[in-house]
Amino acid sequence: DSGVTQTPKHLITATGQRVTLRCSPRSGDLSVYWYQQSLDQGLQFLIHYYNGEERAKGNILERFSAQQFPDLHSELNLSSLELGDSALYFCASSELQGALTDTQYFGPGTRLTVL
Amino acid sequence: QKEVEQDPGPLSVPEGAIVSLNCTYSNSAFQYFMWYRQYSRKGPELLMYTYSSGNKEDGRFTAQVDKSSKYISLFIRDSQPSDSATYLCAMSARSDTGRRALTFGSGTRLQVQP
Repeated sequence: DSGVTQTPKHLITATGQRVTLRCSPRSGDLSVYWYQQSLDQGLQFLIHYYNGEERAKGNILERFSAQQFPDLHSELNLSSLELGDSALYFCASSELQGALTDTQYFGPGTRLTVL
Repeated sequence: QKEVEQDPGPLSVPEGAIVSLNCTYSNSAFQYFMWYRQYSRKGPELLMYTYSSGNKEDGRFTAQVDKSSKYISLFIRDSQPSDSATYLCAMSARSDTGRRALTFGSGTRLQVQP
């Protein structure tokens, strides 16, 4: 158990809908990272927050947004969902803001199925 | 061309075999190299990390980096059925604030047969 929690574990929804994925980092970790893992694309970095502020963006679609709250939990919002958004979404946390020695600990993931 | 290339496998070996997993990369700015293990329906977990060329050993695992060839490897000695998982290489470059986001390989699925 990494100490990172994600809810829900599974989510099934329809195209065009909006969903929110939630992540609670390990106690003491200030950084939260979101990743998308699909069969054809592998594990893709989406976005990084550190202590409430956005630090880096990866291949995140404009239909997706995220935020990190004062209690350090984070939410990933996915809107206007398409079939191709079906994937595993992982959250990872780390202590620092991406230093060379900063290890990322991954949560168990949320499996999103868009029908 | 992807920045990080990794053979997806699957790789099937008998118990006790030495396993070699490899990744190649094209971005010479990558300086920080990691191997993650991902069991089915679980999140990736960090196995090893290294900054420099050469070998780093941890128990049955050895990570090897050859920056001149842009090639990294993970060796598993005396492989066990519990090693059956997908192994992802990951790497990142240095930025002004420390380290940039991780770029992952697509993962190699390993099956160790008892």
